[in-house]
Amino acid sequence: DVKVTQSSRYLVKRTGEKVFLECVQDMDHENMFWYRQDPGLGLRLIYFSYDVKMKEKGDIPEGYSVSREKKERFSLILESASTNQTSMYLCASNQAGDFNEQYFGPGTRLTVT
Amino acid sequence: DAKTTQPTSMDCAEGRAANLPCNHSTISGNEYVYWYRQIHSQGPQYIIHGLKNNETNEMASLIITEDRKSSTLILPHATLRDTAVYYCIVRGPNNAGNMLTFGGGTRLMVKP
Repeated sequence: DVKVTQSSRYLVKRTGEKVFLECVQDMDHENMFWYRQDPGLGLRLIYFSYDVKMKEKGDIPEGYSVSREKKERFSLILESASTNQTSMYLCASNQAGDFNEQYFGPGTRLTVT
Repeated sequence: DAKTTQPTSMDCAEGRAANLPCNHSTISGNEYVYWYRQIHSQGPQYIIHGLKNNETNEMASLIITEDRKSSTLILPHATLRDTAVYYCIVRGPNNAGNMLTFGGGTRLMVKP
């Protein structure tokens, strides 16, 4: 069965802290994605990766960085957390190709105080 | 990618068919229609997709009009567990990074 897991379901951090969100998929997918979801704004792409050590900016990369050292793992890093980064963070993965569906993790609800 | 329009919310009685409409009047010839859903506090879940022919899988059926300007997702026997927000998305090839863009979706409430 297809599985995408995220390291935490809920996380509370203070302003200025460095935050790591981890995502692991067990489907040998080439592509991995980080989105954030906010009420009224839908799903917005932060970064994606189509191969190990490769990354591309999405719509809202500012304040974030990513790391993909292994095919199954894609990390999202908030270098210095701010309150406007309080959100639901969703990781997804899919096979390379134009029309392959994405599989999502359960999400991490991050609160920055 | 083409924009989609969906009703904000719908109710359905448990055991009855849920028919969720989506308008995508600006769809291009090479764009597919996708449906995802998101149950409260969970990540989105893929349901089905199609180009122009009707599609069916174990979860749902997708009916696309002949002019492709609208589609309907059908859950044939809705259960309480189908209560979720349903997103209709139109995507074409060479979509940057295969990214998904979710609009507001339709909040389906299945009632006993």
